[in-house]
Amino acid sequence: DTAVSQTPKYLVTQMGNDKSIKCEQNLGHDTMYWYKQDSKKFLKIMFSYNNKELIINETVPNRFSPKSPDKAHLNLHINSLELGDSAVYFCASSQPLGLAGDGELFFGEGSRLTVL
Amino acid sequence: AQSVAQPEDQVNVAEGNPLTVKCTYSVSGNPYLFWYVQYPNRGLQFLLKYITGDNLVKGSYGFEAEFNKSQTSFHLKKPSALVSDSALYFCAVRNRNTGGFKTIFGAGTRLFVKA
Repeated sequence: DTAVSQTPKYLVTQMGNDKSIKCEQNLGHDTMYWYKQDSKKFLKIMFSYNNKELIINETVPNRFSPKSPDKAHLNLHINSLELGDSAVYFCASSQPLGLAGDGELFFGEGSRLTVL
Repeated sequence: AQSVAQPEDQVNVAEGNPLTVKCTYSVSGNPYLFWYVQYPNRGLQFLLKYITGDNLVKGSYGFEAEFNKSQTSFHLKKPSALVSDSALYFCAVRNRNTGGFKTIFGAGTRLFVKA
């Protein structure tokens, strides 16, 4: 049973289009994240949500809009896609520090976005 | 600002030899420190963590890491490398002073174990 699942695994689209990536976790975690991994494998946090509330927005362009309908889901919608948005986007979840589990992240398998 | 440095882009080691992947960090207060591994076309997997207590922590697949507060380092080690250990390794820090909602990753070190 997959702990953190994200769909789709691959997206190929044209510049200017809009796309969405969905993420669900069945671990009962309170906190969910979106990370971007570029072609050099650098991992950069984009957003952090805790109990559906946005906690961190790491200077991500407004074209990126996360939505958390409940604490088990965190979706990412991207408007007006640009070439530089091509990357692998990872969803992750964890418990907040101080609760059981002590904060390690559980990652999905990634969604590879290619903008042509 | 917090940061994590992994000074080596790649580490090459022969199977059966010990391996070390280096990590240093810069963060105020007492951080949570982690190591993750990423296999090709996969998500990151948690290996081990340091929170408090014994400076030597043991994790999955025979890996261990040594926390050194004075050197602000958290090097990953394994006594005997396997070819299957070849992967991309990330050191990460989570700062409890800022509520811990932000995990910062190093640039990653590619480990190549030769048979």
